[in-house]
Amino acid sequence: DSGVTQTPKHLITATGQRVTLRCSPRSGDLSVYWYQQSLDQGLQFLIQYYNGEERAKGNILERFSAQQFPDLHSELNLSSLELGDSALYFCASSGYEQYFGPGTRLTVT
Amino acid sequence: AQSVAQPEDQVNVAEGNPLTVKCTYSVSGNPYLFWYVQYPNRGLQFLLKEITGDNLVKGSYGFEAEYNKSQTSFHLKKPSALVSDSALYFCAVRDSGYNKLIFGAGTRLAVHP
Repeated sequence: DSGVTQTPKHLITATGQRVTLRCSPRSGDLSVYWYQQSLDQGLQFLIQYYNGEERAKGNILERFSAQQFPDLHSELNLSSLELGDSALYFCASSGYEQYFGPGTRLTVT
Repeated sequence: AQSVAQPEDQVNVAEGNPLTVKCTYSVSGNPYLFWYVQYPNRGLQFLLKEITGDNLVKGSYGFEAEYNKSQTSFHLKKPSALVSDSALYFCAVRDSGYNKLIFGAGTRLAVHP
């Protein structure tokens, strides 16, 4: 168990909808990273927050946004969903090495 | 730009035989290198890291990695494979500017009884 929690485990929704993925980092970790894992793109970094502030941005679509709250949990918001957004979404928190949560599997139908 | 290459989509090994999963990288500056494993329907589990320049790094579950700076390689190894080692393995490098990880495409390891 990495100590990083993510909810929900699975999410099935329709195109055009909006969903929110939630992540709680390991106790004491200030950083949260979001990654997307898809068959065609592999594992890609989306965005990083550190102690409530956005620190780095990767290949994140404009339809996606994230935030980190004072209690350090983070939410990834995905809107106007398309079929191609179906993927596994991981968050990780850091230590020197990153510890990954179990992921949220998003299926857009 | 920093990148990681895992040249093999799949590696097949018989149980009890040694295994190697290959990784090469391209970074500016000193590399911070990592191996992660992903079992079906699970998140990524940290296996080991190279941050000090040591040629051989020992990690979890009997895995080790051979770091070769001149060949810019960081191959994952295990002396005796187990069927339970069958999984997807990712090599990653830490971005020099930020702490995000840049992953290779992954190598599926299949260990046959």
